[in-house]
Amino acid sequence: SQQGEEDPQALSIQEGENATMNCSYKTSINNLQWYRQNSGRGLVHLILIRSNEREKHSGRLRVTLDTSKKSSSLLITASRAADTASYFCATDAGYSTLTFGKGTMLLVSP
Amino acid sequence: GAGVSQSPRYKVTKRGQDVALRCDPISGHVSLYWYRQALGQGPEFLTYFNYEAQQDKSGLPNDRFSAERPEGSISTLTIQRTEQRDSAMYRCASSSGGAMTGELFFGEGSRLTVL
Repeated sequence: SQQGEEDPQALSIQEGENATMNCSYKTSINNLQWYRQNSGRGLVHLILIRSNEREKHSGRLRVTLDTSKKSSSLLITASRAADTASYFCATDAGYSTLTFGKGTMLLVSP
Repeated sequence: GAGVSQSPRYKVTKRGQDVALRCDPISGHVSLYWYRQALGQGPEFLTYFNYEAQQDKSGLPNDRFSAERPEGSISTLTIQRTEQRDSAMYRCASSSGGAMTGELFFGEGSRLTVL
């Protein structure tokens, strides 16, 4: 089963614009992570935010976490064509595994 | 090796045949995970190991699926009597382990097609 649900399913923007993706989940978590996947290749870890954190930054990425609403958002600023990929949120609910959502497909056009 | 290595990258088999998919994790990584990913979907958990011990196999779809990691390093996922519905990308990941599930390092996957 998949705990996380990303929104939107697909997002199309122009280079230089910001992209925001949201993730909602159902149970309490230890941490939430975001991964990127290019064209069906392996998933690459982007950022991890713990349940006691509210916001985290890494380069052009900004992640927020609202445990009261059981939701997270990933913001990519000043997007580039190379950011075109699928983005997945994954939750650690304390079972030593990650549960992934269905993903958001991001298309950044030059 | 430098990353997680999976083999074969592509496997085409006929219905009813057994297949074995191999995963070589990052050296020293304690935890090893198997996921299955259908097209357009996120990875779905199958099973995971800490060292050689299979800690959770709740995601294995049925008893045709099994996995082992006998020496706490390389792992094999075996599917017996394959069916067309088993066609998918099978992904392996490893992590350094610990009380909290941290970053997973994924391999490129093994794409299985059952005819």
